[in-house]
Amino acid sequence: GAGVSQSPRYKVAKRGQDVALRCDPISGHVSLFWYQQALGQGPEFLTYFQNEAQLDKSGLPSDRFFAERPEGSVSTLKIQRTQQEDSAVYLCASSSKPRVPSHEQFFGPGTRLTVL
Amino acid sequence: AQSVAQPEDQVNVAEGNPLTVKCTYSVSGNPYLFWYVQYPNRGLQFLLKYITGDNLVKGSYGFEAEFNKSQTSFHLKKPSALVSDSALYFCAVWNQGGKLIFGQGTELSVKP
Repeated sequence: GAGVSQSPRYKVAKRGQDVALRCDPISGHVSLFWYQQALGQGPEFLTYFQNEAQLDKSGLPSDRFFAERPEGSVSTLKIQRTQQEDSAVYLCASSSKPRVPSHEQFFGPGTRLTVL
Repeated sequence: AQSVAQPEDQVNVAEGNPLTVKCTYSVSGNPYLFWYVQYPNRGLQFLLKYITGDNLVKGSYGFEAEFNKSQTSFHLKKPSALVSDSALYFCAVWNQGGKLIFGQGTELSVKP
């Protein structure tokens, strides 16, 4: 398919476990964004990559959150020592240009993380 | 700081009637405004955006939005609602730091 894909779609973790969430952006897209969407809320920005460079990580809530995009395509969001407050849907989006408002972001279906 | 507000958690409309989903914004400088729709278990889908130009913006699936600078609003509208329009709608603003700031969402329910 030509869209953004994410895996797994659902993840249940015990508190304290580490998790890794994968995002496959649209091929050739320069920009990649991660968002966190808590239940009943709008998505909140976590971090931004332009190709392999992480240019903005101001939204990461703690140092337990880490993201990478080593080859400028697939990205992984890792959460260490998960806590219950990490339970949310994690959305990935990609865009064909560097971060500008004129180019829309295409969102993946998200990964729903539940921390018990 | 840039922000958007969606004052209605839920909007109920009968099929065939016009619908409006409200959004107000607060920005410094020129606003870049967006509407996205989210269906259950699916990612957000882009509907339309206002960057500059005409105040009436037309988007996907027959939706349109009117940018009103004096009222700082960007309400989403559709002349005739469909049951399939039932979903969660998010207004968003592009902030100066290069991020999309989303509202809390409005759940639209269209009944036959």
